[in-house]
Formats: sequence, C-alpha cells, structure tokens
Amino acid sequence: DGGITQSPKYLFRKEGQNVTLSCEQNLNHDAMYWYRQDPGQGLRLIYYSQIVNDFQKGDIAEGYSVSREKKESFPLTVTSAQKNPTAFYLCASSIRANTGELFFGEGSRLTVL
Amino acid sequence: AQSVTQLGSHVSVSEGALVLLRCNYSSSVPPYLFWYVQYPNQGLQLLLKYTSAATLVKGINGFEAEFKKSETSFHLTKPSAHMRDAAEYFCAVRTYSGGGADGLTFGKGTHLIIQP
Repeated sequence: DGGITQSPKYLFRKEGQNVTLSCEQNLNHDAMYWYRQDPGQGLRLIYYSQIVNDFQKGDIAEGYSVSREKKESFPLTVTSAQKNPTAFYLCASSIRANTGELFFGEGSRLTVL
Repeated sequence: AQSVTQLGSHVSVSEGALVLLRCNYSSSVPPYLFWYVQYPNQGLQLLLKYTSAATLVKGINGFEAEFKKSETSFHLTKPSAHMRDAAEYFCAVRTYSGGGADGLTFGKGTHLIIQP
C-alpha cells in the first residue's frame, strides 16, 4: 500500500538532546512537508521541500533542521536549540508543490522530560 | 498572504442534527480550499477540496462545503451527525510565496462533539 510512514510514533527525550524523526513516502511525490501541532494552535509549517536536495524554511524553523537526499525521505531533527519541543509532529507530501492537496502520515509525538 | 479563520474552537451537536463548521479565508489570489479531519493521535485525512470548479463540493462521509466568494467563506456541513463524526476538523488554504505554492496554511481547528 502506498503511503507515508512516520517513526517513531512516540518518543521521549531529555533536555539538551537532539532527536531525529523519520518520514518516508512511497507515493512518488515531489514535495514533502513537516508541520508541528500544538493544542488549540492548529498546524504550523516547520520546513518544506519541493524537490530532492532542496528545502525551505517555514514559519517556525528555528531549532529544527532537515535534509532531502532522497525523494522518498525527509527526516526532521529537533535540536537542543528548540525551546519548547514537546509537540505532535506531522509529515505530509504532495504530488507537486503547487497541487495543494497534502497526504499525511500518522504523526510522531515527542515529549521532552 | 493567505490565512483561514475557523469560528468556534468547539462545536457540540446532537446525534442526527445538522453539523455546521465555519471557515473564512483570506487570499490575494483565487484560493484552493480544503477541509481535513483528524481523529485522536492520528494524521489528517482529506474530507473535500475546492479548486475553482463547482462551488458546492461533496466529500467523504456525507460532508459537503460551499465556496462563497462574496462572503469569503467555505463552511462545512453535514445534514445528520453520527457519533463517528466526533473529531477535530481543520480548514486550510493553499499558500503562495514568491517561489510558488508552498503547501497549506491551516486554521486552528474545530473540535466537533456529538451528544447522544
């Protein structure tokens, strides 16, 4: 089945540690996105990539980093510079950047202890 | 810039009653608009989308939405609510920057509660 796989589903981290969230898609989509979800705030864009080896900052990129070395993969690293990293993280993809319709993974919940 | 505003963070209806979730948008270009549904601890699933064709859009699970340019609205409705409709609903608009389309901008969500 085609889709987007995020891992891990749940992750606990100590303050000061970096953590990497995985996102893999087998939909052959060009564009991929990372959103952060907090209660009552909707989804906010962290980073997006329209094509392999290229990515752009979204609205809340500070304290995060990404890479796009393969079309299928768009991992997100939450660094120790992120002041409030506890959140639900959602990865999405679209056929191309201008189609609008996004397909989402199941999400990763990060808790900082 | 593009943005959406969802009116009401929580909406409660009785089972069998009409569901109405409100969304107003702002866009400097003709908008593409979307409604997504999210169940607890899951990703988002597309309910329906408006991409400048018919103004009344039908989606999955009996939902529909009407694009009204004069009111800058894209409200979501369902004639008869079911218990399984209890979820979080997000309205979204396609986002543009100088480099082209950049994904979607989401509203803050409306939590739909179904009373038995």
